[in-house]
Amino acid sequence: GQQVMQIPQYQHVQEGEDFTTYCNSSTTLSNIQWYKQRPGGHPVFLIQLVKSGEVKKQKRLTFQFGEAKKNSSLHITATQTTDVGTYFCAGPRDSNYQLIWGAGTKLIIKP
Amino acid sequence: DAGVIQSPRHEVTEMGQEVTLRCKPISGHDYLFWYRQTMMRGLELLIYFNNNVPIDDSGMPEDRFSAKMPNASFSTLKIQPSEPRDSAVYFCASSPSGGATEAFFGQGTRLTVV
Repeated sequence: GQQVMQIPQYQHVQEGEDFTTYCNSSTTLSNIQWYKQRPGGHPVFLIQLVKSGEVKKQKRLTFQFGEAKKNSSLHITATQTTDVGTYFCAGPRDSNYQLIWGAGTKLIIKP
Repeated sequence: DAGVIQSPRHEVTEMGQEVTLRCKPISGHDYLFWYRQTMMRGLELLIYFNNNVPIDDSGMPEDRFSAKMPNASFSTLKIQPSEPRDSAVYFCASSPSGGATEAFFGQGTRLTVV
């Protein structure tokens, strides 16, 4: 069936280092969405990418959608403690009515 | 709009008891989703509604789980009887256009079954 794989599961970084999470879909996606969930919180929408090869930036966060619209990445430059949480990618199922979620990448800042 | 509202925020119940979780979606959103999140299984879609009609309940784990949406502003997820393995955080989310647009999540209900 349709799947969205996300790696890595965890990433430990020193504050100030960069962070990247990757998302791969088994099928072409009409769009891909990224969400952030803070510890103890709920997923919060960050951004949606729609176009092949699209790149969007939000301050220190850079989001990319692959040319084939099957993969995506989120890169955070110079991580801060406020970036801690789990980052999820999600893409619509073929029917377009529901989202298929990646397993999430947990960003952990080393003390 | 106040966003998606879930109640209660926390629920502790004994095994065998009935549990009812409630959700008020954002006004005007045609889609409502119920998710369950655990450390082991991550975020799982249980069921979703379009215009108050259940569309896909294939994620509902067992017959002990049921969900209703009697009108556009209210939905419930019921577990009867509850079991310790049902302990999880249950999220309700709503969306204007299903997977084509962003989903707005409620703050979740943390369920503990002892």
